[in-house]
Amino acid sequence: DAGVTQSPTHLIKTRGQHVTLRCSPISGHKSVSWYQQVLGQGPQFIFQYYEKEERGRGNFPDRFSARQFPNYSSELNVNALLLGDSALYLCASSYGTSGGDEQFFGPGTRLTVL
Amino acid sequence: EDQVTQSPEALRLQEGESSSLNCSYTVSGLRGLFWYRQDPGKGPEFLFTLYSAGEEKEKERLKATLTKKESFLHITAPKPEDSATYLCAVHPDSWGKLQFGAGTQVVVTP
Repeated sequence: DAGVTQSPTHLIKTRGQHVTLRCSPISGHKSVSWYQQVLGQGPQFIFQYYEKEERGRGNFPDRFSARQFPNYSSELNVNALLLGDSALYLCASSYGTSGGDEQFFGPGTRLTVL
Repeated sequence: EDQVTQSPEALRLQEGESSSLNCSYTVSGLRGLFWYRQDPGKGPEFLFTLYSAGEEKEKERLKATLTKKESFLHITAPKPEDSATYLCAVHPDSWGKLQFGAGTQVVVTP
């Protein structure tokens, strides 16, 4: 069975640009969550979507937005990129959103902002 | 405020030298505690879920345990392929946000 897939694998952008990251969840999973991981730290929660609706948002500025499509895939958008946005962006899928639902991660997208 | 703290930050082991990693947490209501393994530049790989104090889970050389305030990941007779960063995370609420610790980087030398 295919796991969580993310694209692109790597991305280099300059300050002020916009970026779109994509994620396809495990078949049968209806929830997608996005996390940001900077070097040496654990992943930080950005968003969770379930059935195309936002179910939770972490402490990130409004430059970060996301959406989920009818096929449960998802996009993360970041506007007006800053140097500090350089990180590994992780997508995780789960069947639902209940506390205790296991989340399975994709390989991540490495974003470098110059 | 919900917190997850992992110790030690780094651990260097000889092959076959067993050890334990600690994850202590302060959350208002624990819905689940999760252990992940992460290799450099890759996404976290799911290992275990623990739901209640006293619960234990095993997988090959790894064993996870849970108390009311902390969890331990025991590595028995590790091999070099067990080298990775081990992440602990909790579900502190009734919905699915995961809160992670900073991880323990484990290096196992032959």
